[in-house]
Amino acid sequence: QQQVKQSPQSLIVQKGGISIINCAYENTAFDYFPWYQQFPGKGPALLIAIRPDVSEKKEGRFTISFNKSAKQFSLHIMDSQPGDSATYFCAASSRSFGNEKLTFGTGTRLTIIP
Amino acid sequence: NAGVMQNPRHLVRRRGQEARLRCSPMKGHSHVYWYRQLPEEGLKFMVYLQKENIIDESGMPKERFSAEFPKEGPSILRIQQVVRGDSAAYFCASSLDRATYEQYFGPGTRLTVT
Repeated sequence: QQQVKQSPQSLIVQKGGISIINCAYENTAFDYFPWYQQFPGKGPALLIAIRPDVSEKKEGRFTISFNKSAKQFSLHIMDSQPGDSATYFCAASSRSFGNEKLTFGTGTRLTIIP
Repeated sequence: NAGVMQNPRHLVRRRGQEARLRCSPMKGHSHVYWYRQLPEEGLKFMVYLQKENIIDESGMPKERFSAEFPKEGPSILRIQQVVRGDSAAYFCASSLDRATYEQYFGPGTRLTVT
């Protein structure tokens, strides 16, 4: 019940296109949903996050869409660039667990081709 | 450097030796989380600490693993009698306080057990 399922495992998008990564969760206690970007050999970097009281959050080219009833959320990268090539992880946490430990999806390896 | 610091960045140990991983949180942060990332997998929560307290160690193996966050100095993740299966990247993240969801990750320590 604490799982976060992420898809696709890998994604290839042409430069300038839209990259879409999806995540689904089961535990309705989750109340914080961040996305992290990780480059090879580096630590995950917080990209954007959303709470369940809003359905969409946009920061520059990055948008999170959140569907509370379906228990799904997704990351959209507009005008994808080669520099966006990285592994993306969705995650979720809940204060009701007593702390904000993150439960991560399995990651999506994104490749942007020229 | 205002970010989360981890050292060493790379650590090679023979089977049976001890590994000590250090994490200095961001300035002003008093909460530390440790996560483990196996090759080609997502991050898994291990332990959550505040200064001088272990809050949640539900993700940490019961044997050979221990963690501390003393009043002064970095947080330490200690692995005794390492085995090949301990080879992984170990990341720590810090957050400001219980009211703050955001976690910021360090660059990780890549442990190789030979």
